[in-house]
Amino acid sequence: GAGVSQSPSNKVTEKGKDVELRCDPISGHTALYWYRQSLGQGLEFLIYFQGNSAPDKSGLPSDRFSAERTGGSVSTLTIQRTQQEDSAVYLCASSSTQGFMNSPLHFGNGTRLTVT
Amino acid sequence: AQKVTQAQTEISVVEKEDVTLDCVYETRDTTYYLFWYKQPPSGELVFLIRRNSFDEQNEISGRYSWNFQKSTSSFNFTITASQVVDSAVYFCALSEARDDSWGKLQFGAGTQVVVTP
Repeated sequence: GAGVSQSPSNKVTEKGKDVELRCDPISGHTALYWYRQSLGQGLEFLIYFQGNSAPDKSGLPSDRFSAERTGGSVSTLTIQRTQQEDSAVYLCASSSTQGFMNSPLHFGNGTRLTVT
Repeated sequence: AQKVTQAQTEISVVEKEDVTLDCVYETRDTTYYLFWYKQPPSGELVFLIRRNSFDEQNEISGRYSWNFQKSTSSFNFTITASQVVDSAVYFCALSEARDDSWGKLQFGAGTQVVVTP
Protein backbone atom coordinates (compact mmCIF):
# COMPACT_ATOMS: atom_id res chain seq x y z
CA GLY A 1 0.00 0.00 0.00
CA ALA A 2 1.01 3.65 -0.37
CA GLY A 3 3.03 5.21 2.39
CA VAL A 4 3.36 8.85 3.40
CA SER A 5 4.15 10.85 0.30
CA GLN A 6 6.01 14.15 0.35
CA SER A 7 6.70 16.57 -2.46
CA PRO A 8 8.91 17.89 -3.74
CA SER A 9 11.71 15.57 -2.71
CA ASN A 10 14.22 18.36 -3.18
CA LYS A 11 13.75 22.11 -3.22
CA VAL A 12 16.36 24.78 -3.78
CA THR A 13 15.24 28.32 -3.19
CA GLU A 14 16.76 31.74 -2.83
CA LYS A 15 16.87 33.46 0.51
CA GLY A 16 13.77 35.56 1.01
CA LYS A 17 11.47 33.48 -1.18
CA ASP A 18 8.45 31.57 0.14
CA VAL A 19 8.22 27.79 -0.18
CA GLU A 20 5.43 25.26 0.21
CA LEU A 21 6.05 21.66 1.17
CA ARG A 22 3.36 19.07 0.73
CA CYS A 23 2.52 15.94 2.69
CA ASP A 24 0.03 13.29 1.65
CA PRO A 25 -0.53 10.96 4.61
CA ILE A 26 -1.53 7.35 4.52
CA SER A 27 -5.21 7.12 3.64
CA GLY A 28 -7.38 7.10 6.74
CA HIS A 29 -4.70 8.36 9.07
CA THR A 30 -6.16 11.13 11.21
CA ALA A 31 -3.02 12.32 12.94
CA LEU A 32 -0.30 14.11 11.00
CA TYR A 33 3.03 15.43 12.26
CA TRP A 34 5.73 17.62 10.76
CA TYR A 35 9.34 17.25 11.87
CA ARG A 36 12.56 18.88 10.77
CA GLN A 37 15.96 17.22 10.56
CA SER A 38 19.03 19.40 10.40
CA LEU A 39 22.70 18.87 11.10
CA GLY A 40 22.80 21.25 14.01
CA GLN A 41 19.49 20.49 15.68
CA GLY A 42 18.82 16.84 14.90
CA LEU A 43 15.18 15.75 14.61
CA GLU A 44 12.73 18.35 15.92
CA PHE A 45 8.97 18.32 16.23
CA LEU A 46 7.26 21.21 14.45
CA ILE A 47 3.48 20.80 14.49
CA TYR A 48 0.77 18.21 14.98
CA PHE A 49 -2.64 17.90 13.33
CA GLN A 50 -5.61 15.88 14.44
CA GLY A 51 -8.02 16.04 11.54
CA ASN A 52 -7.88 19.60 10.26
CA SER A 53 -7.06 21.25 13.54
CA ALA A 54 -3.60 21.81 14.96
CA PRO A 55 -3.68 21.36 18.74
CA ASP A 56 0.07 21.69 19.05
CA LYS A 57 2.13 24.20 17.07
CA SER A 58 4.74 24.56 19.76
CA GLY A 59 7.63 23.41 17.60
CA LEU A 60 7.28 26.00 14.84
CA PRO A 61 10.53 27.98 15.10
CA SER A 62 9.14 31.37 14.07
CA ASP A 63 6.07 33.10 12.68
CA ARG A 64 7.51 32.62 9.21
CA PHE A 65 6.41 29.00 9.51
CA SER A 66 2.80 27.93 9.13
CA ALA A 67 0.94 24.80 8.21
CA GLU A 68 -2.54 23.80 7.28
CA ARG A 69 -4.43 20.64 6.61
CA THR A 70 -7.57 20.42 4.54
CA GLY A 71 -10.13 17.65 4.29
CA GLY A 72 -8.37 15.78 7.03
CA SER A 73 -5.81 14.62 4.49
CA VAL A 74 -3.14 16.62 2.66
CA SER A 75 -1.06 19.07 4.65
CA THR A 76 1.05 21.97 3.48
CA LEU A 77 3.94 23.48 5.42
CA THR A 78 4.73 27.01 4.31
CA ILE A 79 7.91 28.90 5.07
CA GLN A 80 7.83 32.58 4.26
CA ARG A 81 10.89 34.72 3.58
CA THR A 82 13.20 31.73 3.81
CA GLN A 83 16.53 32.04 5.57
CA GLN A 84 19.64 29.92 5.21
CA GLU A 85 19.06 28.41 8.63
CA ASP A 86 15.80 26.95 7.29
CA SER A 87 17.85 24.52 5.19
CA ALA A 88 16.97 21.04 6.44
CA VAL A 89 15.02 17.93 5.63
CA TYR A 90 11.35 18.36 6.46
CA LEU A 91 9.69 15.10 7.42
CA CYS A 92 6.02 14.32 7.61
CA ALA A 93 4.52 11.42 9.55
CA SER A 94 1.02 10.07 10.04
CA SER A 95 -0.76 7.58 12.26
CA SER A 96 -4.20 6.04 12.28
CA THR A 97 -5.52 7.52 15.51
CA GLN A 98 -4.35 9.39 18.53
CA GLY A 99 -4.23 6.33 20.68
CA PHE A 100 -1.15 4.40 21.63
CA MET A 101 -2.67 1.07 20.75
CA ASN A 102 -2.97 2.02 17.13
CA SER A 103 -0.41 2.46 14.44
CA PRO A 104 2.98 3.97 15.17
CA LEU A 105 4.18 6.98 13.26
CA HIS A 106 4.90 6.26 9.62
CA PHE A 107 7.34 8.73 8.12
CA GLY A 108 7.68 9.94 4.56
CA ASN A 109 11.01 10.30 2.76
CA GLY A 110 11.11 14.01 3.45
CA THR A 111 11.70 17.18 1.46
CA ARG A 112 15.28 18.39 1.40
CA LEU A 113 15.16 22.18 1.44
CA THR A 114 18.23 24.19 0.52
CA VAL A 115 18.15 27.95 0.88
CA THR A 116 20.91 29.71 -1.06
CA ALA B 1 11.39 18.58 30.24
CA GLN B 2 12.11 15.48 28.27
CA LYS B 3 15.56 14.55 27.06
CA VAL B 4 17.03 11.60 25.22
CA THR B 5 20.75 10.95 25.21
CA GLN B 6 22.52 8.69 22.77
CA ALA B 7 26.11 9.07 23.83
CA GLN B 8 27.56 6.97 21.04
CA THR B 9 27.96 9.03 17.90
CA GLU B 10 29.26 6.21 15.73
CA ILE B 11 29.91 2.51 16.16
CA SER B 12 31.88 0.48 13.65
CA VAL B 13 31.75 -3.30 13.66
CA VAL B 14 32.67 -6.16 11.41
CA GLU B 15 29.88 -8.27 10.04
CA LYS B 16 28.56 -10.93 12.45
CA GLU B 17 29.62 -8.99 15.51
CA ASP B 18 26.98 -7.90 18.00
CA VAL B 19 26.40 -4.20 18.54
CA THR B 20 24.59 -2.50 21.43
CA LEU B 21 23.24 1.02 21.16
CA ASP B 22 22.74 2.95 24.37
CA CYS B 23 19.79 5.21 25.09
CA VAL B 24 19.24 7.11 28.33
CA TYR B 25 16.21 9.29 28.84
CA GLU B 26 14.88 11.89 31.24
CA THR B 27 11.22 12.64 31.88
CA ARG B 28 9.01 13.79 34.71
CA ASP B 29 6.10 11.79 33.38
CA THR B 30 5.16 8.60 35.17
CA THR B 31 3.88 7.06 31.96
CA TYR B 32 5.55 7.53 28.63
CA TYR B 33 6.50 5.74 25.43
CA LEU B 34 9.91 4.83 24.11
CA PHE B 35 10.79 4.19 20.49
CA TRP B 36 13.60 3.13 18.23
CA TYR B 37 13.77 4.19 14.59
CA LYS B 38 16.24 3.26 11.88
CA GLN B 39 17.32 5.70 9.17
CA PRO B 40 19.19 3.96 6.35
CA PRO B 41 21.13 5.95 3.75
CA SER B 42 17.94 6.32 1.73
CA GLY B 43 16.71 8.70 4.42
CA GLU B 44 13.36 7.25 5.41
CA LEU B 45 12.74 6.75 9.11
CA VAL B 46 11.75 3.16 9.72
CA PHE B 47 9.86 2.26 12.88
CA LEU B 48 11.43 -0.57 14.89
CA ILE B 49 9.73 -0.69 18.27
CA ARG B 50 7.43 1.18 20.64
CA ARG B 51 7.37 0.41 24.37
CA ASN B 52 5.10 1.52 27.20
CA SER B 53 6.80 2.69 30.35
CA PHE B 54 4.77 0.27 32.42
CA ASP B 55 5.93 -2.71 30.37
CA GLU B 56 9.48 -3.54 31.36
CA GLN B 57 9.55 -6.87 29.62
CA ASN B 58 12.47 -7.16 27.26
CA GLU B 59 11.68 -7.88 23.66
CA ILE B 60 13.34 -9.83 20.90
CA SER B 61 12.50 -9.61 17.22
CA GLY B 62 14.74 -11.68 15.04
CA ARG B 63 18.27 -10.32 15.41
CA TYR B 64 17.03 -7.28 17.31
CA SER B 65 16.52 -7.11 21.05
CA TRP B 66 15.70 -4.33 23.46
CA ASN B 67 16.53 -4.00 27.14
CA PHE B 68 14.31 -1.56 29.07
CA GLN B 69 15.55 -0.68 32.56
CA LYS B 70 13.24 1.81 34.19
CA SER B 71 15.46 2.00 37.28
CA THR B 72 18.32 3.42 35.21
CA SER B 73 16.12 5.20 32.63
CA SER B 74 17.68 3.27 29.81
CA PHE B 75 16.29 1.59 26.71
CA ASN B 76 19.19 -0.12 24.97
CA PHE B 77 19.07 -1.82 21.61
CA THR B 78 21.19 -4.78 20.51
CA ILE B 79 21.71 -6.08 17.00
CA THR B 80 22.97 -9.64 17.08
CA ALA B 81 25.17 -11.02 14.30
CA SER B 82 25.22 -7.68 12.46
CA GLN B 83 24.93 -7.50 8.69
CA VAL B 84 25.97 -4.85 6.20
CA VAL B 85 22.30 -3.96 5.70
CA ASP B 86 22.17 -2.89 9.34
CA SER B 87 24.35 0.10 8.49
CA ALA B 88 22.20 3.12 9.32
CA VAL B 89 21.58 5.82 11.86
CA TYR B 90 19.49 4.61 14.77
CA PHE B 91 17.37 7.01 16.79
CA CYS B 92 15.93 6.52 20.23
CA ALA B 93 12.87 8.65 21.07
CA LEU B 94 10.50 9.43 23.92
CA SER B 95 6.97 10.79 24.09
CA GLU B 96 4.33 11.51 26.68
CA ALA B 97 1.66 8.88 27.14
CA ARG B 98 -1.14 11.20 26.15
CA ASP B 99 -3.84 10.36 23.65
CA ASP B 100 -3.56 13.72 21.97
CA SER B 101 0.18 14.01 21.53
CA TRP B 102 1.86 10.66 21.87
CA GLY B 103 3.37 11.14 18.41
CA LYS B 104 5.23 14.25 19.52
CA LEU B 105 8.58 12.57 19.86
CA GLN B 106 11.71 13.82 21.54
CA PHE B 107 14.54 12.25 19.58
CA GLY B 108 18.08 11.53 20.60
CA ALA B 109 20.93 12.66 18.40
CA GLY B 110 21.24 9.26 16.78
CA THR B 111 23.99 6.64 16.57
CA GLN B 112 25.60 5.87 13.21
CA VAL B 113 26.23 2.14 12.86
CA VAL B 114 28.72 1.07 10.23
CA VAL B 115 28.96 -2.64 9.49
CA THR B 116 31.82 -3.71 7.27
CA PRO B 117 32.10 -7.08 5.52
